[in-house]
Amino acid sequence: AQSVTQPDIHITVSEGASLELRCNYSYGATPYLFWYVQSPGQGLQLLLKYFSGDTLVQGIKGFEAEFKRSQSSFNLRKPSVHWSDAAEYFCAVVALNSGNTPLVFGKGTRLSVIA
Amino acid sequence: DAGITQSPRYKITETGRQVTLMCHQTWSHSYMFWYRQDLGHGLRLIYYSAAADITDKGEVPDGYVVSRSKTENFPLTLESATRSQTSVYFCASSELSDYEQYFGPGTRLTVT
Repeated sequence: AQSVTQPDIHITVSEGASLELRCNYSYGATPYLFWYVQSPGQGLQLLLKYFSGDTLVQGIKGFEAEFKRSQSSFNLRKPSVHWSDAAEYFCAVVALNSGNTPLVFGKGTRLSVIA
Repeated sequence: DAGITQSPRYKITETGRQVTLMCHQTWSHSYMFWYRQDLGHGLRLIYYSAAADITDKGEVPDGYVVSRSKTENFPLTLESATRSQTSVYFCASSELSDYEQYFGPGTRLTVT
């Protein structure tokens, strides 16, 4: 069964600094990969997704993620963090050609932004 | 308005009571999902539904019941609430051809 690991439970960065959130998945076939963001007290919002093609994916709010098959990773990046980026970030995976089965989520990484 | 809504947004109930959380979507998406979110566990799937009258268990289904008589509604019932079911519950929907899930705002449930 597929699984998702987000190694960092909590990350603190300074406003204006760059950000990288790590995500590793475990699945033998080609995965569909997602990053969601959850602001405090809110539901989840899709940041970006990777299905196929270019392995560098652009998303909303200035985020991007790179799919690296050799490392089974889909890390999320942002060149310059804003205070409003403070939130919880979830990586998720679903198996390609598995039918529309549910996403498997990582446990999340909480991002704090300091001045 | 179009979208996915959940009600109530907040609920406090007592151990042993039955409680139903409602989820409604206006997109006519085929798939609907219920998750619970707990600190340290991320989101865990409770039940999901591929279409009206078709439901399937997720990772943590015990103590929960779902039904889907209409495409747009997917209620979640706790038949006899326990303190361990205190959590934030999220409903989501997606279309058959698109794996992206759209989430509701959540219901914060406290069982005393």
